[in-house]
This record gives sequence, C-alpha cells and structure tokens, in this order.
Amino acid sequence: KAGVTQTPRYLIKTRGQQVTLSCSPISGHRSVSWYQQTPGQGLQFLFEYFSETQRNKGNFPGRFSGRQFSNSRSEMNVSTLELGDSALYLCASSLVGNVNTEAFFGQGTRLTVV
Amino acid sequence: KQEVTQIPAALSVPEGENLVLNCSFTDSAIYNLQWFRQDPGKGLTSLLLIQSSQREQTSGRLNASLDKSSGRSTLYIAASQPGDSATYLCAVDDYKLSFGAGTTVTVRA
Repeated sequence: KAGVTQTPRYLIKTRGQQVTLSCSPISGHRSVSWYQQTPGQGLQFLFEYFSETQRNKGNFPGRFSGRQFSNSRSEMNVSTLELGDSALYLCASSLVGNVNTEAFFGQGTRLTVV
Repeated sequence: KQEVTQIPAALSVPEGENLVLNCSFTDSAIYNLQWFRQDPGKGLTSLLLIQSSQREQTSGRLNASLDKSSGRSTLYIAASQPGDSATYLCAVDDYKLSFGAGTTVTVRA
C-alpha cells in the first residue's frame, strides 16, 4: 500500500514569496499533521487536520496555514516567506489521530528561502 | 508544556553490540509513545508504537519499554548492524507528537 506522499520534494523560494506544499495521506487515513524540522528547533508541530477541519494548532504565526480536502489530501501554505522558514516540512497521516494510532510520515519537502 | 529529552545525543558502537537509547518526558498524560528512525535528509520511519496502557513492544531486534509513571521509555536494539546507523527519535502523543532531539547512532563495521 502506498505511503504518505509529499510534493514537491525540494523548493527554493525568495523572501517575501509564498509557497504551497502538498501531502497525500495513506489511503483510508483521515488525520493529517504537519511538522517543521530545523537543526536549531528540531521537530515542531504546526497543525492537524481531520475531516477537513483544523483540529489542533501549534505555536506558529498566522503566515502558516493549511487546509484539507474531502479526499483527505492536505496542503500547507506559507505566505511572506522569511529566511527562518527554511526547513524540512514533514507531514504525517494516521487513521484518526490522537487515540493510540500510529503516525506515518512522508519524505518531506525541503524548503530553502533565499 | 511537554518536554521530551533523549540521552545520549550521540552514540558510536562496534557492530554486534547492543544499543540502549533513552527517552524521558515531563507530562505522563499521553496517549502513546512512538519511536522513529530518520536517515539524513529523509522523512521519519516508524519503528514501534507503545500505547499508554502497554509496558513493552517488540519488533524483530527492537524492543521498547514504557514507564508512564516515571516518564521514561527505552529502546533496545539487539546485535547492531551498520545499517542501523541513523538518528532515532522518540515522540509522545498527547494531542500532537512532541519530539526529543534524537540520538544519532553510528555502528562501526
């Protein structure tokens, strides 16, 4: 069965631009979570979507937003990019999220802001 | 706020030695704890999930224990191989995954 698919794998953007990242969860999984990984801060939770609704949100500015479609695919958007947004962005899918279900991660999107 | 600590930060062992990786967390109100492996520049691969009601979980050469009351988990990897070289991350799940900084393991041939 196919795993979690993230596209694109690599992106280079200029400060001030915006970017959209995509995540297709494992078939049948309804929860999608996004994480940012940097060398300094490690892995930090951005937000979680379940059945097209944002269920939980981490401590990131409003420039970071997301959405989930009816087929459970999710997109993450970052507006007005800053150099500090350079990171590996990972998405995870799980059956329902939270309740004792295993999270599976994609390969990530490496975003570089110049 | 949940704080997750992993000790040691790095570990280098000769092939065949057993590995012991430690994880501690500050808030015991968790749904489960999950161990992951990450290769450089790649995503996370799930190794083991221990539900909050469990004490232990095993998969092949891997065994993980969980002591919720003391806020600790340990991952044991038996008979290490060079292919086990990677960063190992533990994550506790309350309503989101909170990660430790990881233990980078090098297994020397």
